[in-house]
Amino acid sequence: EAGVTQFPSHSVIEKGQTVTLRCDPISGHDNLYWYRRVMGKEIKFLLHFVKESKQDESGMPNNRFLAERTGGTYSTLKVQPAELEDSGVYFCASSPYEWAPLHFGNGTRLTVT
Amino acid sequence: EDQVTQSPEALRLQEGESSSLNCSYTVSGLRGLFWYRQDPGKGPEFLFTLYSAGEEKEKERLKATLTKKESFLHITAPKPEDSATYLCAVPLHSNDYKLSFGAGTTVTVRA
Repeated sequence: EAGVTQFPSHSVIEKGQTVTLRCDPISGHDNLYWYRRVMGKEIKFLLHFVKESKQDESGMPNNRFLAERTGGTYSTLKVQPAELEDSGVYFCASSPYEWAPLHFGNGTRLTVT
Repeated sequence: EDQVTQSPEALRLQEGESSSLNCSYTVSGLRGLFWYRQDPGKGPEFLFTLYSAGEEKEKERLKATLTKKESFLHITAPKPEDSATYLCAVPLHSNDYKLSFGAGTTVTVRA
């Protein structure tokens, strides 16, 4: 089976610009998560979708971040406008049911200059 | 407040030199502890889930154990291909699915 796919793998943008990250989960996985690791820190939870519904978005840092999951398939994470502190690696993960081990993508490395 | 603490931060081993990594946690009502392996430029790859104190799981040269306050990942006779960062994670709350990750232990195995 194909794994979790994230695009782009790298993105370099200027402060104030907008960036959209995309995640394609494993087919049939209803649960989709976004996590991120900023420089020198642990991987932190951002939000959780069950199908197309946001189950938990308590980890989203502020309203500059917007996540969507169209039709319960792929998901996008938009950062608008980007700030320097948004730099880091954004991981997407999926699982077939809650409490199942997460399958992670290889992440998108975002650099805001 | 740190909920998941891993030690040591880095571990350099000679091929064949067994060692252990530690993951201590402060979450009450633990519903599971996860171990992941992460290679540079890749996402975390699932290794084990442990659910209750006393449980052990093995995969090749890796064995994970769990007590009420910590977990150990034992690497027996490691090979260079075991070089990676090992992460442990626990759910933030007993009724929650979102994971709190430790900072990881970076293991380097020299031939």
